[in-house]
Amino acid sequence: GESVGLHLPTLSVQEGDNSIINCAYSNSASDYFIWYKQESGKGPQFIIDIRSNMDKRQGQRVTVLLNKTVKHLSLQIAATQPGDSAVYFCAEKATGNQFYFGTGTSLTVIP
Amino acid sequence: DAGVTQSPTHLIKTRGQQVTLRCSPKSGHDTVSWYQQALGQGPQFIFQYYEEEERQRGNFPDRFSGHQFPNYSSELNVNALLLGDSALYLCASSLGQVGINQPQHFGDGTRLSIL
Repeated sequence: GESVGLHLPTLSVQEGDNSIINCAYSNSASDYFIWYKQESGKGPQFIIDIRSNMDKRQGQRVTVLLNKTVKHLSLQIAATQPGDSAVYFCAEKATGNQFYFGTGTSLTVIP
Repeated sequence: DAGVTQSPTHLIKTRGQQVTLRCSPKSGHDTVSWYQQALGQGPQFIFQYYEEEERQRGNFPDRFSGHQFPNYSSELNVNALLLGDSALYLCASSLGQVGINQPQHFGDGTRLSIL
């Protein structure tokens, strides 16, 4: 089956610092990736996506980097704020339209 | 612009019972996917509906079934409930056919507890 994993289960950063959340994926055929943010008691919230024909995509305060050579995805959050505290998931799509999620990284922002 | 809505928000059932969960997709979306999220885990894909048909299925038994209606809303049915079915059930909607790379947008889920 598919395997989407995260290098660190927890991450603590100081408010104002930049955060980097990493994700490894196993299927080289995966062609589409999404980062989600999930707050307690809520469903996953779409942050940013990237297709396999790209290696970088930027949004508001967030950047996703894709390294297909080593099958690695990262999410960078600039000037991290307390409201960024949540669990972050990467999801990959390979065959059909089925997404595979990792176990998540819990980000805690220290004021 | 209405997002994905799910009902009920919480549900308690006993082993052996049956349950139906409901989902209305985001306005303009025509594809609905269902996921199961156990505590401390990422969501696991159950199945996807498009044009009122199940288009793709994850590794879940036949006790899990679904339906999509002409207005694109969807139901997830689980029969013969087991303790291990306790989880957060998430609905996600998207636009387009299977294989088109479109983001899925999630509702806040139904928390199902089996006693």
